[in-house]
Amino acid sequence: DTGVSQNPRHKITKRGQNVTFRCDPISEHNRLYWYRQTLGQGPEFLTYFQNEAQLEKSRLLSDRFSAERPKGSFSTLEIQRTEQGDSAMYLCASSFGTSASTYNEQFFGPGTRLTVL
Amino acid sequence: AQSVTQLGSHVSVSEGALVLLRCNYSSSVPPYLFWYVQYPNQGLQLLLKYTSAATLVKGINGFEAEFKKSETSFHLTKPSAHMSDAAEYFCAVRNTGFQKLVFGTGTRLLVSP
Repeated sequence: DTGVSQNPRHKITKRGQNVTFRCDPISEHNRLYWYRQTLGQGPEFLTYFQNEAQLEKSRLLSDRFSAERPKGSFSTLEIQRTEQGDSAMYLCASSFGTSASTYNEQFFGPGTRLTVL
Repeated sequence: AQSVTQLGSHVSVSEGALVLLRCNYSSSVPPYLFWYVQYPNQGLQLLLKYTSAATLVKGINGFEAEFKKSETSFHLTKPSAHMSDAAEYFCAVRNTGFQKLVFGTGTRLLVSP
């Protein structure tokens, strides 16, 4: 399978615990995105990497959230001291592009569903 | 900031009937617009996109959308609904010069036999 993969697919945790999600983009893609989707809503942008550089961050990404892409390949999203409001589907997408002005289709992974008890 | 509004959180049609899902955008410049479909417990799949070329855009699975600047709309249509079309549909806009997508709240399409 050459699509975007995300692990784990489901995560149940207790409030206050830390969780980490992983995203593996399509191999030749240099851009990687994280979105969050809560029940009944559309995905909301969290952050975006081009290679290993984090170029955009949403205000939704509080100081409890940290994303990394150390070698410009896979990415991790960590949530510290989880809260019940963090319960959501976390979606990863990837694309290939070199110019900010041109359109590059984002391919989405299946998501990681987080439930905070 | 650019945004999209999807009218109707749920749309019900009979199999074989016309599908019309509405999306209006707010933008001072011609935007890039997209329709995505999401099946239960899956990620999003791109149906079609408008990138300032032809105003009538054809996508996968028989869907198409028309960009109407005068109405700031980008409604999604399909002449004949199929049971397999039942899913959540999202309209999205991309701000020029930025990479993130801004999504609408989604419309759930229900198809009855």
